[in-house]
Amino acid sequence: QKEVEQDPGPLSVPEGAIVSLNCTYSNSAFQYFMWYRQYSRKGPELLMYTYSSGNKEDGRFTAQVDKSSKYISLFIRDSQPSDSATYLCAISGAGSYQLTFGKGTKLSVIP
Amino acid sequence: DTGVSQNPRHKITKRGQNVTFRCDPISEHNRLYWYRQTLGQGPEFLTYFQNEAQLEKSRLLSDRFSAERPKGSFSTLEIQRTEQGDSAMYLCASSLDREQYFGPGTRLTVT
Repeated sequence: QKEVEQDPGPLSVPEGAIVSLNCTYSNSAFQYFMWYRQYSRKGPELLMYTYSSGNKEDGRFTAQVDKSSKYISLFIRDSQPSDSATYLCAISGAGSYQLTFGKGTKLSVIP
Repeated sequence: DTGVSQNPRHKITKRGQNVTFRCDPISEHNRLYWYRQTLGQGPEFLTYFQNEAQLEKSRLLSDRFSAERPKGSFSTLEIQRTEQGDSAMYLCASSLDREQYFGPGTRLTVT
């Protein structure tokens, strides 16, 4: 079992839709959770950072962490064509600064 | 603050040659990371520096790979005797704490 599982998609939604992106992880020691957005042939861009369980909101983006289920989510409200990208979840534990990434989910928002 | 910069952006080399990449982190960041990303995959951790000390190394970092961060500022990643399997995007990131900010990457093609 991989440490971080993420459905690679692709996921295609109409403009204005609510998008839900998810990852599951296997190691209960993970405590730091991040979501990155990556456009084609570019470096990942940090969108959201969450420590431990709970919700965090930033504009149209909401990150949720459920440590009991080892499940993290990113919601995008009022999706725009400019949101079309690959979204990567990334996780680390208390004893290490290295990030373990999911494979990424490719999202297309259709005008 | 100009963000993390990486040079060169693209490198094409013949199998067996040595290559060196450079990363300049965000100026006040004391932590610096190297990752490798292949098509359709999330980034994979290679190594991590805190100031000039190399604190973590992945088993992916074979003896052909070496990284340095003299004086705790910029970092270099050298690959000796390149192989076709080394073809990938090499990403550098930096951080003050847990939130890692990535550069644009160096795309290596080994022919």
